[in-house]
Amino acid sequence: ELKVEQNPLFLSMQEGKNYTIYCNYSTTSDRLYWYRQDPGKSLESLFVLLSNGAVKQEGRLMASLDTKARLSTLHITAAVHDLSATYFCAVDEDGGSNYKLTFGKGTLLTVNP
Amino acid sequence: NAGVTQTPKFRILKIGQSMTLQCTQDMNHNYMYWYRQDPGMGLKLIYYSVGAGITDKGEVPNGYNVSRSTTEDFPLRLELAAPSQTSVYFCASSPSITGGKYEQYFGPGTRLTVT
Repeated sequence: ELKVEQNPLFLSMQEGKNYTIYCNYSTTSDRLYWYRQDPGKSLESLFVLLSNGAVKQEGRLMASLDTKARLSTLHITAAVHDLSATYFCAVDEDGGSNYKLTFGKGTLLTVNP
Repeated sequence: NAGVTQTPKFRILKIGQSMTLQCTQDMNHNYMYWYRQDPGMGLKLIYYSVGAGITDKGEVPNGYNVSRSTTEDFPLRLELAAPSQTSVYFCASSPSITGGKYEQYFGPGTRLTVT
């Protein structure tokens, strides 16, 4: 059974600071996804990482994937209040053709002025 | 494109009642999914479909049924509602890999309370 663990689950940051959210998973996979969810809203796709060493950046967020370590990171640079949300990583089982995702529990990020 | 739409947005059911959550996508995606989201627990897959007429169970299928008669629609049926089914339900869709895209697109969700 594929397990996906995120840490931390809760993160309170000051504006302007940097931080990293970690996503570990238990089986081999080379497809990992990051989603953002605002309170009471749906999930919005942030990044799709499809191979070992993949790195993607959008604004103040950068995601990377190390399939050998079974680890993905979401790095936040110079946080701003608008980044406050819950961030989920999700993993697609290796070789699966149905694209079933297993989600982590999410990291609730609060950016304080 | 409207993307993935879900109805209703909110619903309160009494124990033992039945209902259908509707999901429609207008992106011609082959793959569709139903998830439930409980507080602090992430999303768990209930059922999924890889095309019209083909469905399969996910991680938490008990108490639910699905059908997929068209590419666009993927309704989720609750037959005998129980308090444990109180949750937020999300429908999602994704294109086939031939399009080179893998991400799932989510609907706005249905918040269901069973009392």
